[in-house]
Amino acid sequence: GAVVSQHPSWVICKSGTSVKIECRSLDFQATTMFWYRQFPKQSLMLMATSNEGSKATYEQGVEKDKFLINHASLTLSTLTVTSAHPEDSSFYICSARDLFGTGVQPQHFGDGTRLSIL
Amino acid sequence: SQQGEEDPQALSIQEGENATMNCSYKTSINNLQWYRQNSGRGLVHLILIRSNEREKHSGRLRVTLDTSKKSSSLLITASRAADTASYFCATDARGAQKLVFGQGTRLTINP
Repeated sequence: GAVVSQHPSWVICKSGTSVKIECRSLDFQATTMFWYRQFPKQSLMLMATSNEGSKATYEQGVEKDKFLINHASLTLSTLTVTSAHPEDSSFYICSARDLFGTGVQPQHFGDGTRLSIL
Repeated sequence: SQQGEEDPQALSIQEGENATMNCSYKTSINNLQWYRQNSGRGLVHLILIRSNEREKHSGRLRVTLDTSKKSSSLLITASRAADTASYFCATDARGAQKLVFGQGTRLTINP
């Protein structure tokens, strides 16, 4: 089945540090990837839609200068949390859709990155 | 809120019993999907039901969709301890690429 790899799975760093999270589709191509944020015992909130070769589309209330997204190839999107602060601590999850899949395709999710800012 | 509602928010049952979770949404949809999330992990796709379908089965899972009521249900039959997880419905709205997730149901199966 389709696999999405997300790295790192856990990050602990000091306030003010910038953190990069990678999302890779391992066995399929994805023009579109999605980045979500999830607080404990809550649902997923879409942050932005990452489009290969173009600018990401951010959801209302998400600071694009804070959460930099780069989708340089059909298999890789990165999310950089710039100058992270404790309030940015959360579980970040990416997902991707198979570009060439037949029929209606579900999204395939990475295993998430737990970000803890001290 | 753009998110749908799920109920119950938490459900605890004995192994072997059936578990039913409900989901309501607000917009017209292409399809509705159910996902499972184990604690601290990503989401696993369970089943997708198109807007022109009313019921779908996959193993011990049964999903219904009522577009007139904008609601769906997920039934897990003969539950197992390994079914303990959070379950989310997500709608794929017409004209939109993105999924909108419900609040989720935390299911606990007691051995």
